[in-house]
Amino acid sequence: TQLLEQSPQFLSIQEGENLTVYCNSSSVFSSLQWYRQEPGEGPVLLVTVVTGGEVKKLKRLTFQFGDARKDSSLHITAAQPGDTGLYLCAGGNEKLTFGTGTRLTIIP
Amino acid sequence: GAVVSQHPSRVICKSGTSVKIECRSLDFQATTMFWYRQFPKQSLMLMATSNEGSKATYEQGVEKDKFLINHASLTLSTLTVTSAHPEDSSFYICSAALVSTDTQYFGPGTRLTVL
Repeated sequence: TQLLEQSPQFLSIQEGENLTVYCNSSSVFSSLQWYRQEPGEGPVLLVTVVTGGEVKKLKRLTFQFGDARKDSSLHITAAQPGDTGLYLCAGGNEKLTFGTGTRLTIIP
Repeated sequence: GAVVSQHPSRVICKSGTSVKIECRSLDFQATTMFWYRQFPKQSLMLMATSNEGSKATYEQGVEKDKFLINHASLTLSTLTVTSAHPEDSSFYICSAALVSTDTQYFGPGTRLTVL
């Protein structure tokens, strides 16, 4: 069974601060995706990383895929209230395995 | 990006009845559709994978006779929760992909409440 553990589970910080969310597994994935989900809605894809060591930037969000393709991180710079949501990583092989989730709250 | 819709968005039913949820890919043909379930404050758990024209593949612990999946066309998959019980109350989300290993596009989800 492939498991993806995310940490922290909950994070509440002030607007303007930086934060990092981690996604770890003992399994190797061919790709790793990050999603953000709002309450009552489906997850929205933020990024896909496929190469070990790959770094992708999406405005204030920086995503990194571990060299061994077992872990990933999401770093947000100068967090804004609009960043509030549930962040999910998902590892892809034949099917997606979702991480345990990080619920992020940005306080204005 | 590709658009996936679900209908209904919310449904309330009585215990013992059956409920059908539709998942449609609006602007592309999806050979594979996936059904997930999400309980409050938890992550998404894959229930089953369905390929157009063939039987669905269910994950361990998911009862295939209770959760009937039909993928009759390249743009439509349905999930029927049969003889629903309160413990089936959950957020059901589908996704669609061009091929099974391709990017999945998620629907907006269906909130099922069984009284």
